[in-house]
Amino acid sequence: DAMVIQNPRYQVTQFGKPVTLSCSQTLNHNVMYWYQQKSSQAPKLLFHYYDKDFNNEADTPDNFQSRRPNTSFCFLDIRSPGLGDAAMYLCATSRAWDSNQPQHFGDGTRLSIL
Amino acid sequence: GQQLNQSPQSMFIQEGEDVSMNCTSSSIFNTWLWYKQDPGEGPVLLIALYKAGELTSNGRLTAQFGITRKDSFLNISASIPSDVGIYFCAGLLTGNQFYFGTGTSLTVIP
Repeated sequence: DAMVIQNPRYQVTQFGKPVTLSCSQTLNHNVMYWYQQKSSQAPKLLFHYYDKDFNNEADTPDNFQSRRPNTSFCFLDIRSPGLGDAAMYLCATSRAWDSNQPQHFGDGTRLSIL
Repeated sequence: GQQLNQSPQSMFIQEGEDVSMNCTSSSIFNTWLWYKQDPGEGPVLLIALYKAGELTSNGRLTAQFGITRKDSFLNISASIPSDVGIYFCAGLLTGNQFYFGTGTSLTVIP
């Protein structure tokens, strides 16, 4: 059974039209991450939540925001998507901040921009 | 950020052949992980390594945590068509700082 679930699997939006991607987990992990992955590249970390504490990567554009209303759910909001934001967006979870435990990934949402 | 270099970048092999790929870094890591990513899917954890020198198997896959803690390798024996995909190593530092390698793309020719 899927433990990190991303919806939708495919999302199409228009240039400049806000879009929200969602992630839920059944693992009860403290940490949730959002990554952006472009073709033939490794995933790039955008930000993560440790419980309710939000941690932004220094080079994540302001256009990207996140919300975590509870342990199970985390959202990625792209306020004004540009053509360069077309990518696969991956959600991941891990048990705790200092546990050296692996991250577990969802199947991703592929975002297309028209 | 930390740089994890994987080699080779891509591999084309015949079904039944063994595969070897590695990951090197200039930094010491506490944990090494190997993931496989199929097209259009998220990375799936294959093997986790927690101690220098550790050798761990998962079916036809074997991975080792290098003695220097700066490298790791993954071997796949008797490859089959479903082994096709991109293999990523990842290193973990304290504080759950997580770094992906550059990836190795594997193609298996039936």
